[in-house]
Amino acid sequence: GENVGLHLPTLSVQEGDNSIINCAYSNSASDYFIWYKQESGKGPQFIIDIRSNMDKRQGQRVTVLLNKTVKHLSLQIAATQPGDSAVYFCAEAGGTSYGKLTFGQGTILTVHP
Amino acid sequence: GAVVSQHPSRVICKSGTSVKIECRSLDFQATTMFWYRQFPKKSLMLMATSNEGSKATYEQGVEKDKFLINHASLTLSTLTVTSAHPEDSSFYICSARDTTRVSYGYTFGSGTRLTVV
Repeated sequence: GENVGLHLPTLSVQEGDNSIINCAYSNSASDYFIWYKQESGKGPQFIIDIRSNMDKRQGQRVTVLLNKTVKHLSLQIAATQPGDSAVYFCAEAGGTSYGKLTFGQGTILTVHP
Repeated sequence: GAVVSQHPSRVICKSGTSVKIECRSLDFQATTMFWYRQFPKKSLMLMATSNEGSKATYEQGVEKDKFLINHASLTLSTLTVTSAHPEDSSFYICSARDTTRVSYGYTFGSGTRLTVV
């Protein structure tokens, strides 16, 4: 089934550390993946995306890695800051569910000063 | 950039009443919008896909008569929670696709906190 609706794992880091958040996706036909940041009481905020023809993409302080063989995504945040504290979700689209964006398991990131 | 406005941000209603939530794309046309529901400390669950000028496509297990979706224009989709009950209390979030963008172009609203008392 789809990888949604699960309890969220947590990740605690110290300010300045690098953070790695992982996500397993379910649909091998998906060809587009996005990482979102969600703060309490708000909608998801776009962080970075990647297409299935890539295995790595870098943004400002963030890097997304895609491993299609094991259907795994990761988000790396460099020099994590307290303002990065939020819930992070991966999402997938494309393939047989073209157009629909399905969210995966989220991770609660807490950054301690 | 693409902006999606969702209104209201919070609503409290009595059991048995209906509540309408609006989702507007402010600077682009959205032929497709999506409605999600999110419980505390859980992921977003897709409820339905709203298509301009046609019926919405509901996900399995979502009651279409309970959650009425109307997408009458290219910039507005509404979700009406009919005969609301306390178990309908949740955080509802809409998303719109800007198909003119290179990427899939999903933009999310800020969400609506519904509390049914």
